[in-house]
Amino acid sequence: QKEVEQNSGPLSVPEGAIASLNCTYSDRGSQSFFWYRQYSGKSPELIMFIYSNGDKEDGRFTAQLNKASQYVSLLIRDSQPSDSATYLCVVSGTGRRALTFGSGTRLQVQP
Amino acid sequence: NAGVTQTPKFQVLKTGQSMTLQCAQDMNHNSMYWYRQDPGMGLRLIYYSASEGTTDKGEVPNGYNVSRLNKREFSLRLESAAPSQTSVYFCASSEVRSGTGPSPLHFGNGTRLTVT
Repeated sequence: QKEVEQNSGPLSVPEGAIASLNCTYSDRGSQSFFWYRQYSGKSPELIMFIYSNGDKEDGRFTAQLNKASQYVSLLIRDSQPSDSATYLCVVSGTGRRALTFGSGTRLQVQP
Repeated sequence: NAGVTQTPKFQVLKTGQSMTLQCAQDMNHNSMYWYRQDPGMGLRLIYYSASEGTTDKGEVPNGYNVSRLNKREFSLRLESAAPSQTSVYFCASSEVRSGTGPSPLHFGNGTRLTVT
């Protein structure tokens, strides 16, 4: 079992719709959760981070965390073609100083 | 404010050649990292340095060495390049944050390495 699992996609949504990206993780002690966006040929850039159970909203983005289910998600409202990218779920592990990356979900927003 | 700067951006090596990837950050971060990214596998940690003077192995350290030259600079060396090391390499840095664990990573623009 991978430590951080994401559906590779592509996830295709029409412009203006809500895109829902999901991630599960195996380490119950994980405390920090991040979503990065990576455009093709570019480096990852941070979109959101969340440490506590529940929802965290930032503009069109909402991160949701459920530690009991070991599940974290990213919702993108009013999706735009410029949101088309690969979204990486990143989780901190217990007793480790570095982060574990999921392999990413490719999102395509259709105009 | 340049953030994290990596050099070179592109490199082609022949099997057995050596090279050093350079990374520097100007954000006064304590921690620095080297990752490689391969299709379908996400980013995998090669080595990291929690603070100046310390380095630790990550998930895939074999075939690589690192040097934390000072707080700003963290280099990655391939002593004898192999085709399996063809990848995109990213350097990153972060603050050290207590309580909630690791703080977000700031990435360089990456180095595309091809080993023939």
